Formats: sequence, structure tokens, C-alpha cells
Amino acid sequence: AQTVTQSQPEMSVQEAETVTLSCTYDTSENNYYLFWYKQPPSRQMILVIRQEAYKQQNATENRFSVNFQKAAKSFSLKISDSQLGDTAMYFCAFVVYNQGGKLIFGQGTELSVKP
Amino acid sequence: NAGVTQTPKFQVLKTGQSMTLQCAQDMNHEYMSWYRQDPGMGLRLIHYSVGAGITDQGEVPNGYNVSRSTTEDFPLRLLSAAPSQTSVYFCASRKDSLYGYTFGSGTRLTVV
Repeated sequence: AQTVTQSQPEMSVQEAETVTLSCTYDTSENNYYLFWYKQPPSRQMILVIRQEAYKQQNATENRFSVNFQKAAKSFSLKISDSQLGDTAMYFCAFVVYNQGGKLIFGQGTELSVKP
Repeated sequence: NAGVTQTPKFQVLKTGQSMTLQCAQDMNHEYMSWYRQDPGMGLRLIHYSVGAGITDQGEVPNGYNVSRSTTEDFPLRLLSAAPSQTSVYFCASRKDSLYGYTFGSGTRLTVV
């Protein structure tokens, strides 16, 4: 079975500091895509960043970057210069290339950014 | 361009009642899915569709039915509501595997 594990239920960080959220996954497939979603208190799901498994280069989106380690099946999210608006639940997710409908999510990490 | 529209936003049902959660998207996306979100369990896939007329079960399909008669609509039916179905439900759609899903705003369902 394909699974996603986020081992940190809760984390906190001081404003302007850097924080890293962990994610590991399990699949026997070789071609897949990985995502990080943000869910603020408004409940809306917002795509933060995505990574294609066939690309070695780690994806970046402004203050958000990933550390993708394919052999270790690890996909961590780094948030630099944390802002109060980054306070949210963060979900890691992945989908296998030929299983387009089955996006699998981790349990989530609740991040609090403190002033 | 409305994206993914879910209705209703809130609903209270009595045990044994049936209802349909509506989901519509105007982006001509082939893939659509229903998820439920429960504390500490992330989002779990209920049913999904890879195109009109094609649906399949996800991780937690029991007690739910879906159909996909058009590309735009993907309703979720609760056949006989149970308290265990109290949850927040999200509908989502996307173009293909490369793109992340676009989510609706969710439906908070309470079964009493």
C-alpha cells in the first residue's frame, strides 16, 4: 500500500526563523509527483509546492523549498523567514503517474509561527 | 472562473437520513475526487473519477456513492448517515498528475 507519514503532529517557530517539516512516503513506483499543501484556519486547501520524482533538482517557490531524497523516500519542506501568515496545517501528498485520481495525504503537521 | 464549488457549506443530519453533497468545477478537469478530513488523520480518499462515466473507490468508500455523468459534476451521496460520517468533506479536481488538486471550500457535516 502507498502511504505518507508526517511524524511531527505539531511544530512552532519564531517569526523570521527557518523551520523544516518532515515527510516520508512509501511506494514501489518510480514515477510520481509530490506536493505540499497548506490549510490555514479558513479551511481552504492551498498548494504550496510540487516536485516531479524524475527531477533531481529540488523545487523552490519563494520562501518555500523542498529537500527531495528519492532513495530515502523523503520529502521535507523548508520555510525560510517564517511569517505569521504561515501559521497553518501542512499536508504532504503524492500521486503515482498512472494513478491520476489517487492523491494520498499524510496526517498533517500543525505549524504555529510565534511573534 | 469559479474553480471548484461545493454545496452546502454546513449540514446537520439525523442518523439514517440520506443526502447528496454537490461538487462542480468549471475548469474542464478530468480528475475529480472526494476526501474526508478528520482530526489527526489527514485527508482520506473516499471516491475518485478519472473522467465522465468512470469512478473508483478510494480508502474509505463504505457508506458513500458517487457518479460522474458529466465532466463538471461529481456528487457524493450518503446513503444512510451514521455518526461516524461526521467530518469535513472536500471535493477536488485537477488536470493531470503533474498538477496539484484544486480544492473546494469544504462541507462540514454533523450526523446526530
